[in-house]
Amino acid sequence: DAGVTQSPTHLIKTRGQQVTLRCSPKSGHDTVSWYQQALGQGPQFIFQYYEEEERQRGNFPDRFSGHQFPNYSSELNVNALLLGDSALYLCASTLLGDYGYTFGSGTRLTVV
Amino acid sequence: SQQGEEDPQALSIQEGENATMNCSYKTSINNLQWYRQNSGRGLVHLILIRSNEREKHSGRLRVTLDTSKKSSSLLITASRAADTASYFCATVLYNQGGKLIFGQGTELSVKP
Repeated sequence: DAGVTQSPTHLIKTRGQQVTLRCSPKSGHDTVSWYQQALGQGPQFIFQYYEEEERQRGNFPDRFSGHQFPNYSSELNVNALLLGDSALYLCASTLLGDYGYTFGSGTRLTVV
Repeated sequence: SQQGEEDPQALSIQEGENATMNCSYKTSINNLQWYRQNSGRGLVHLILIRSNEREKHSGRLRVTLDTSKKSSSLLITASRAADTASYFCATVLYNQGGKLIFGQGTELSVKP
């Protein structure tokens, strides 16, 4: 039973560019959340998707947007990249109403 | 802002010793969870304790929760070198849709 799959694992982008990160949730899960983790910090909640709608959003600018597809997979898009966007981006899935989260291995984004 | 704060920030022990990490939080919670992260990769869910529970065990892990003090502790008994990792507590607040709010983490080093 596959867990949460994220792609790519590493990515290097230039300031001002746009990036798309992808996440496939664990089989049976319908809710996907995204987190940003800066070096040496705890993960910070970006947003959560359920039934292709954004249910909740953390304190992140509109440059961060997302999407969920009918098969529950999700994308995180970041526009106009800043150096400060360099971080590990984690995707977590669960079944709505359950609190058992499964995390992917993350995408390491470096903005230069 | 972070809801939880872990203490200590770093802990170094010898194999076979017990490791205790503490977490404090600020507002009422639905549940509190502990996660492990190896070398900046994905988070692994260790244990969940609900607000009406005081103690839970899972293998060598023991978690306590004191809602009056808004604090939790994670005890790892008979530690092994493989336990070397960062440990995070994460809270789920009431009426917050299940998003996880993480602390800064405790970096545990277990020396063989």
